[in-house]
Amino acid sequence: GAGVSQSPSNKVTEKGKDVELRCDPISGHTALYWYRQSLGQGLEFLIYFQGNSAPDKSGLPSDRFSAERTGGSVSTLTIQRTQQEDSAVYLCASSYSGTYTEAFFGQGTRLTVV
Amino acid sequence: DAKTTQPNSMESNEEEPVHLPCNHSTISGTDYIHWYRQLPSQGPEYVIHGLTSNVNNRMASLAIAEDRKSSTLILHRATLRDAAVYYCILLIQGAQKLVFGQGTRLTINP
Repeated sequence: GAGVSQSPSNKVTEKGKDVELRCDPISGHTALYWYRQSLGQGLEFLIYFQGNSAPDKSGLPSDRFSAERTGGSVSTLTIQRTQQEDSAVYLCASSYSGTYTEAFFGQGTRLTVV
Repeated sequence: DAKTTQPNSMESNEEEPVHLPCNHSTISGTDYIHWYRQLPSQGPEYVIHGLTSNVNNRMASLAIAEDRKSSTLILHRATLRDAAVYYCILLIQGAQKLVFGQGTRLTINP
């Protein structure tokens, strides 16, 4: 596709369940980012992948959150034992070679934990 | 990450220029200045970036103060579609992530 694709666009889950959010970056982009945005709030950095380097996980809020990037392309953000405070829009972005080039964002996955 | 300060909100009229300020008094010589904006219910989109010289592109202009402690994003002729939250971000050379602050919410009046 032409842009960053995220799925699902909306997800409602019960408290305590695990969820997986998917991000398909733009083909050829080596850098991939995950952010989350709670209602009315700014963007909170979660994790950053760049090529084959170890990811920067410094923004993950707890050990319930993890992410992987397979084959340098698709990424999955997993939230285990979801809590109501995990409800937010989760945004993925990719760029060609890191933060000196334009980052393209997907439309996000709106996660609601009930 | 180096800190930026922006007004919480600004208001302007359609078809008028808009100057969005950003203070970054702790900027170092290798920090790049990036601007992104987020339209309602959408992910952020890149607007412009620069290091020392003023920059222009199809969306906006970026005016950087001579001492680099502040910059201004200029929308030359605002439209209703420019209503968004505008984020000013500093990137340290070699930095690995975009860290967003609270940004400036721009309202455009018809």
